[in-house]
Amino acid sequence: ETGVTQSPTHLIKTRGQQVTLRCSSQSGHNTVSWYQQALGQGPQFIFQYYREEENGRGNFPPRFSGLQFPNYSSELNVNALELDDSALYLCASRPETGGEKLFFGSGTQLSVL
Amino acid sequence: GQNIDQPTEMTATEGAIVQINCTYQTSGFNGLFWYQQHAGEAPTFLSYNVLDGLEEKGRFSSFLSRSKGYSYLLLKELQMKDSASYLCAVVDSNYQLIWGAGTKLIIKP
Repeated sequence: ETGVTQSPTHLIKTRGQQVTLRCSSQSGHNTVSWYQQALGQGPQFIFQYYREEENGRGNFPPRFSGLQFPNYSSELNVNALELDDSALYLCASRPETGGEKLFFGSGTQLSVL
Repeated sequence: GQNIDQPTEMTATEGAIVQINCTYQTSGFNGLFWYQQHAGEAPTFLSYNVLDGLEEKGRFSSFLSRSKGYSYLLLKELQMKDSASYLCAVVDSNYQLIWGAGTKLIIKP
């Protein structure tokens, strides 16, 4: 049990739609990062937030955006969905102190039809 | 560019020992993780190495050589539940995680 929860667990959308994925971290976990994992691949870094500000971004277009809230929850928003956006989306958090270990949520499986 | 290499798939027998290798070329190094991931589930933490040498934790051990850009995960007394993908990930100079594609480990009775 990592203390990180994601919702929903599964989601089906159609091309062109918008989606919001949610993550709730443990108290004191000020850093949250989001990853996209396609089938058979390792996770790809989307972006990271620290104390409600984005402080790192991977090679993803601007239609991928996020928010982090003071209550240790965060969102990943994807606009204008494309078929290739179908993947497992993982949220991971890290405490203010205590090293680099990431605590992962169980993910949201997004299917774009 | 940044690169993490792992074998795509390995097969081993229940009760045996298996070593999963990972080589990396990254811009900077601030540690290396091994995660286990069962199909359809999130990765779970196995080990973190930042200094050279062997870290042992029960049936699992992880080794790091920074000069060689090399790590391995050693699994002993294999159990059927160890069938999973094993992901190697390196923390780069920007403190971002660079992930390998994972090694799918198949355990046979």
